[in-house]
Amino acid sequence: AQSVTQLGSHVSVSEGALVLLRCNYSSSVPPYLFWYVQYPNQGLQLLLKYTSAATLVKGINGFEAEFKKSETSFHLTKPSAHMSDAAEYFCAVSEDSGYALNFGKGTSLLVTP
Amino acid sequence: GAVVSQHPSRVICKSGTSVKIECRSLDFQATTMFWYRQFPKQSLMLMATSNEGSKATYEQGVEKDKFLINHASLTLSTLTVASAHPEDSSFYICSARDPGTYEQYFGPGTRLTVT
Repeated sequence: AQSVTQLGSHVSVSEGALVLLRCNYSSSVPPYLFWYVQYPNQGLQLLLKYTSAATLVKGINGFEAEFKKSETSFHLTKPSAHMSDAAEYFCAVSEDSGYALNFGKGTSLLVTP
Repeated sequence: GAVVSQHPSRVICKSGTSVKIECRSLDFQATTMFWYRQFPKQSLMLMATSNEGSKATYEQGVEKDKFLINHASLTLSTLTVASAHPEDSSFYICSARDPGTYEQYFGPGTRLTVT
């Protein structure tokens, strides 16, 4: 079985500060890992995904994540937060491309002026 | 990128009625679609996997007689909540898998409120 744990249900950063959202995974097979963003009352938008290629994955809107097998982590970062980044972020894992996703509980990002 | 639509975007119904939610892949044919539900302030939980032309596969704890899934064509899957009750109120999100790339694309979700 595969799962992800997102550390911190709420994260608050100042505009222009570094964004770090943490995700640790548990998987018996090489995982496929994803980060999604959800704005209020909307569906999910894929930010980036890891599929066993490069360990540093660059996504949309300036986000990136690094796959660290030794730490079983896939943390999401952005160098400089923007007000429009305020949203709910979900880390997810699947055992293969195209399989159903197991989502973390989500982290709500608040960006303050 | 590929587009997945859901209809309706929100629905309010009375307890005991049935509600049908549609999930369509607009520019690709999806042999597999997934249905998730999301309670307020919580994560998405997989309800079932919908395969075109065959019966859906339900996750443990999901009542197949209550959440009826029909994947009758390569671009359409429907979720019918039978005899809905207030505890069924939730945000239902579908995703469709592109058979060529195996990418999953999510619909915008349907907000169901049962009064």
